[in-house]
Amino acid sequence: QQQVKQSPQSLIVQKGGISIINCAYENTAFDYFPWYQQFPGKGPALLIAIRPDVSEKKEGRFTISFNKSAKQFSLHIMDSQPGDSATYFCASALVGSSNTGKLIFGQGTTLQVKP
Amino acid sequence: NAGVTQTPKFRVLKTGQSMTLLCAQDMNHEYMYWYRQDPGMGLRLIHYSVGEGTTAKGEVPDGYNVSRLKKQNFLLGLESAAPSQTSVYFCASSYQTGVRSNQPQHFGDGTRLSIL
Repeated sequence: QQQVKQSPQSLIVQKGGISIINCAYENTAFDYFPWYQQFPGKGPALLIAIRPDVSEKKEGRFTISFNKSAKQFSLHIMDSQPGDSATYFCASALVGSSNTGKLIFGQGTTLQVKP
Repeated sequence: NAGVTQTPKFRVLKTGQSMTLLCAQDMNHEYMYWYRQDPGMGLRLIHYSVGEGTTAKGEVPDGYNVSRLKKQNFLLGLESAAPSQTSVYFCASSYQTGVRSNQPQHFGDGTRLSIL
């Protein structure tokens, strides 16, 4: 079964600190790796995504690091703020001629940033 | 634009009852998806559709049916509700994906369903 394993389940970080969430995937054919952010009572929203042809992608305070050989990728939130408190989901997908956009999601990480 | 709208937002059912969850999107998206979200299990795909009149099974389709009669609407049905179907249900939509890229999925705010 295709799985994406995410850790930790929950994370508490002080304001200004670095938050790190990790994901590991099994299917070596996956070639699209997004992170979604979800606030309480809302649906998830795309935060940042990476393709396996690069090892890192940065957008503002958010960075994805990708290790193809280890089949792992991680989300780094620099200078974490209380407004970043949310649940984060990693996901993986297979892109190709029969692409249906299906995503395999990790289990989620609840991040709390303390002021 | 409203984006993705889910109806209802909350519902309590008794075991064996049936109901339909409605998802409507106003972004002219080709693809639509139904997920369920359970604690510690992330989002799991129930059914999806790549166009009007087409549907396909996802990871956890048992006990659910779907229909996509109009491009903007995607309906999720529970024929005989069971307590194991207590969950938060999310609908999402996206533009048609490409050979080398995925389009972001836009989610509604969910339907919280409790089955007693």
